[in-house]
Amino acid sequence: SQQGEEDPQALSIQEGENATMNCSYKTSINNLQWYRQNSGRGLVHLILIRSNEREKHSGRLRVTLDTSKKSSSLLITASRAADTASYFCAPGAGGGNKLTFGTGTQLKVEL
Amino acid sequence: ETGVTQSPTHLIKTRGQQVTLRCSSQSGHNTVSWYQQALGQGPQFIFQYYREEENGRGNFPPRFSGLQFPNYSSELNVNALELDDSALYLCASSLGRGVSGELFFGEGSRLTVL
Repeated sequence: SQQGEEDPQALSIQEGENATMNCSYKTSINNLQWYRQNSGRGLVHLILIRSNEREKHSGRLRVTLDTSKKSSSLLITASRAADTASYFCAPGAGGGNKLTFGTGTQLKVEL
Repeated sequence: ETGVTQSPTHLIKTRGQQVTLRCSSQSGHNTVSWYQQALGQGPQFIFQYYREEENGRGNFPPRFSGLQFPNYSSELNVNALELDDSALYLCASSLGRGVSGELFFGEGSRLTVL
């Protein structure tokens, strides 16, 4: 399974602002997932987008996928302090759930 | 709450010792994956078990070994501990071993090697 690379490494915004983070990968995928990790805790699945989808929404989350550019973006709208966490993308290319993760984007939402 | 539980939550060992970490998967899940996450890094895939057999391994030496039991719970064993083994060890369960789907993570076991 291949690793996604998240960008930026760190992002600091004010509460109420939108946060956008990006993910790039190298080879063809079946789907791409985004996970959130609060400090020192387990990862929590946020959303999965399939390779034949271009955009997907879940609450305040919007994910896009551009397979021609091998990239994805995660937008969190109207951010809250509770959104402070690390965010990881995980490209999936079959072969089971042997997902690999990059170093993530550390999002800090300040009051 | 993912239904995946890990124990112990924290432990301290000294270099050269051995450690066993445990994971109970979510009900109905037959696949367990283990990850190592060093401070400031992303989780690194150690190995995966599907129906009691190893189903893939990352770039970790043989002193990292595992087991999966008939009830699909799992253990991660690390022998001859090194200082660099200090990390958060995460277990994740899922259903099946086909196309990648959602992983359900536990809260992890924090290992400190002195």
